[in-house]
Amino acid sequence: AQSVTQPDIHITVSEGASLELRCNYSYGATPYLFWYVQSPGQGLQLLLKYFSGDTLVQGIKGFEAEFKRSQSSFNLRKPSVHWSDAAEYFCAVEDQAGTALIFGKGTTLSVSS
Amino acid sequence: GAGVSQTPSNKVTEKGKYVELRCDPISGHTALYWYRQSLGQGPEFLIYFQGTGAADDSGLPNDRFFAVRPEGSVSTLKIQRTERGDSAVYLCASSLEASGGLNEQFFGPGTRLTVL
Repeated sequence: AQSVTQPDIHITVSEGASLELRCNYSYGATPYLFWYVQSPGQGLQLLLKYFSGDTLVQGIKGFEAEFKRSQSSFNLRKPSVHWSDAAEYFCAVEDQAGTALIFGKGTTLSVSS
Repeated sequence: GAGVSQTPSNKVTEKGKYVELRCDPISGHTALYWYRQSLGQGPEFLIYFQGTGAADDSGLPNDRFFAVRPEGSVSTLKIQRTERGDSAVYLCASSLEASGGLNEQFFGPGTRLTVL
């Protein structure tokens, strides 16, 4: 069965420092992968997605993610974190039926000044 | 334009009661999804509509849960004989059509259901 693992429940990063959030997936074929961000009181917002092709994907708000098939990973990165990036981040994979998203448990990002 | 809206934003009910949660998708989106997000967890898929029909309801936990989308737009998630374990945030999403990864799912802000 498909699954997504986000090993880090909570991460604290200093403002201006770089960020990497980890995501590992389990999927038989080439996966469609997503990163979403959820701020308090807000709906989930798509940061970026990977379907095929270039394994380094650029998203909104300065985020990028790299697909590594050999490691079954799709880690999210940002070179310089802003205080407004504090939120919950979810990695997801599309199910084999091509409809539902299967989410990880999320990583809460705190930004310290 | 307007995004996905959900009403109510909060619902408190007593164990055993019936509740209805409403979702208004983005205009023109034919695909609609319901997810449930329990505390400390990621969203979990419940049901997917393509137009008026439920194309995949494999995520509904039991027969107390039911959803409809009679005119292919607004959807209502119905929960009978609520239990304390049903307490969660219920999220609705819509996309232009069945995703296949190509159509982004846009999420609403959710309805927080609390069963006392």
